[in-house]
Amino acid sequence: KQEVTQIPAALSVPEGENLVLNCSFTDSAIYNLQWFRQDPGKGLTSLLLIQSSQREQTSGRLNASLDKSSGRSTLYIAASQPGDSATYLCAVEETSGSRLTFGEGTQLTVNP
Amino acid sequence: EADIYQTPRYLVIGTGKKITLECSQTMGHDKMYWYQQDPGMELHLIHYSYGVNSTEKGDLSSESTVSRIRTEHFPLTLESARPSHTSQYLCASSKPGWGTENTGELFFGEGSRLTVL
Repeated sequence: KQEVTQIPAALSVPEGENLVLNCSFTDSAIYNLQWFRQDPGKGLTSLLLIQSSQREQTSGRLNASLDKSSGRSTLYIAASQPGDSATYLCAVEETSGSRLTFGEGTQLTVNP
Repeated sequence: EADIYQTPRYLVIGTGKKITLECSQTMGHDKMYWYQQDPGMELHLIHYSYGVNSTEKGDLSSESTVSRIRTEHFPLTLESARPSHTSQYLCASSKPGWGTENTGELFFGEGSRLTVL
């Protein structure tokens, strides 16, 4: 059974710092990996999707990398802002393409 | 921008009531999902669907049912609500994840927060 782990569970940084969120998964036979953002009491917003054949994706200040062989992905946030404060979740889609397995998320707080 | 809608956003009901949470998407996506999420906790897959007349059970499906009569509509029904059903329910949809144009990206609704007294 696929298991997804995110470290750290919570992170607090001052505004302007560059930071890295980590995601690891136990079964490397994935179809894709997605990073999401969730604000309190809201649904999830997709940030980046990396197909299994890709190594990284970039969107603005966000960069996500994928190393399938080691079962790891990182989300890099450059020049963090208070508006980046949210919970960040990663999810892997299994090769069958039928379901995603989510990590528990990293709660990020960016202090002004 | 995602076009996936959930109603109601908030619902407070008594134990034993039957409820249906509605989810609709206007993107023509074949795949749809229901997740349950308690505050600060991980998402648990309840049901999913590959398309019309297709429904599959997830990890927490034993106390709820779904139907997929139309592509755009994927309602979730609790036949007899209990306090243990108090949670946030998130609906999502995606295109099939194959081909250069179909990325498999998942779009979520805003959620339905259910409280059962």
